[in-house]
Amino acid sequence: AQKITQTQPGMFVQEKEAVTLDCTYDTSDQSYGLFWYKQPSSGEMIFLIYQGSYDEQNATEGRYSLNFQKARKSANLVISASQLGDSAMYFCAMREPRREGKLIFGQGTTLQVKP
Amino acid sequence: NAGVTQTPKFRILKIGQSMTLQCTQDMNHNYMYWYRQDPGMGLKLIYYSVGAGITDKGEVPNGYNVSRSTTEDFPLRLELAAPSQTSVYFCASSQGRWETQYFGPGTRLLVL
Repeated sequence: AQKITQTQPGMFVQEKEAVTLDCTYDTSDQSYGLFWYKQPSSGEMIFLIYQGSYDEQNATEGRYSLNFQKARKSANLVISASQLGDSAMYFCAMREPRREGKLIFGQGTTLQVKP
Repeated sequence: NAGVTQTPKFRILKIGQSMTLQCTQDMNHNYMYWYRQDPGMGLKLIYYSVGAGITDKGEVPNGYNVSRSTTEDFPLRLELAAPSQTSVYFCASSQGRWETQYFGPGTRLLVL
């Protein structure tokens, strides 16, 4: 069965340092997409970054990058130069196009950035 | 740009009452989704639609109904509210199955 696992319920990072949030996934499909969303305390879901299973390069979006290791089925989010505004819950999600694009979410990681 | 909008933001229901959660998107997206998020958890799919007139069940459809008469609107109906339906409900849309899903701000529902 398709599954997303985030093993870090909570993380702390010092402001201006980099942090890695872990995500592993399980699927039997060759074609899939991996997403990271940010959920601040206000509750909205904000799209951060996307990696396709056939993409050869790791995705990057500003201070966010995705460390995609296909053989290990991991898709870790790296946030560089953390800011206080990065404090939020972060969700990893997987989409399989043959399942009509439905997203499967992990349980999330709470990140707190310390000044 | 409005994107995906949801109403109401917050609602308290009594057990057995019914209500409709509204979702509208102005991006002309074909695909729309309803998720629920229980406290401390990730989102789970309730229903989805791949276009006007076409809907299908997700992981947790029991107790809910949907309709999709237009591209823009995808309302979620709760017929007989139960405490187990206390949750935050998110609507999302995407252009297609390959595209990024964009979420509305959510509706917080409390059933007492």
